[in-house]
Amino acid sequence: NAGVTQTPKFQVLKTGQSMTLQCAQDMNHEYMSWYRQDPGMGLRLIHYSVGAGITDQGEVPNGYNVSRSTTEDFPLRLLSAAPSQTSVYFCASSYSSAGSTDTQYFGPGTRLTVL
Amino acid sequence: AQSVAQPEDQVNVAEGNPLTVKCTYSVSGNPYLFWYVQYPNRGLQFLLKYITGDNLVKGSYGFEAEFNKSQTSFHLKKPSALVSDSALYFCAVRPRMDSSYKLIFGSGTRLLVRP
Repeated sequence: NAGVTQTPKFQVLKTGQSMTLQCAQDMNHEYMSWYRQDPGMGLRLIHYSVGAGITDQGEVPNGYNVSRSTTEDFPLRLLSAAPSQTSVYFCASSYSSAGSTDTQYFGPGTRLTVL
Repeated sequence: AQSVAQPEDQVNVAEGNPLTVKCTYSVSGNPYLFWYVQYPNRGLQFLLKYITGDNLVKGSYGFEAEFNKSQTSFHLKKPSALVSDSALYFCAVRPRMDSSYKLIFGSGTRLLVRP
C-alpha cells in the first residue's frame, strides 16, 4: 500500500490564482480530511468527508472547496489564493468514520506559498 | 474553548537519558488522546493513543505515554533517548462526541537529543 499520497509537494501561486491539491489513499478508508499547519499553531481542520459524496466544513473552511466523488480521492481546491493561505497542507484518512477511536494516517504534505 | 497545550517549545536531552514531552488538554467528555511525530519535510507519523483502560500506553519506537485524568494530562515519555528521536512531537485530542472526528492539536514540541 502507498498509504496517503499528496501532490504536488511544493507549489508557488500568485494572489488570485486557483489550484487543486490532490490527495489519494489506497486503504479503502471511509474518512478523509484536510488540515493546514502553521508555525506555532499545530494543525487545524479545513474540511472533512465521512464517505463518498459526503463532505463538511471543519474549523477553517473559508477559501477552500472539497469534493469526494470516490472513496480514494479527496481534492482540496483553492478558489482564489491569498497570502494568508500560505501554509503546509496535510491530508489524512482513517478506516471508519463511525469509529472515532480510529487512528488517522497523514500524507507527506504540500507546502504552498502564495505571493 | 477546547484546547491542547504543549508548554515547552523545545526539549533538550542527552542521548541515553529519559525524556518527557508534556501535554495537557482542556476538552470535555473524556476525549481520546494521541501522539504524533513529524520528521523534517515529512508527514505526521502516529506514535500511540489512549482510548480507555490502563493509564500507561505503549507505542512505537519505545515511546510510552501516561494519562492522568485528574490533571488532564497525557505526557509522552521514553526511558532512554536516541539522537534519531530528534523531531517535532504533537499531542492531539479527539472529543468523543464530535461528529467531525477532528483532532485538536497542540502547537508542537521540538525534541533535540544531543549525542
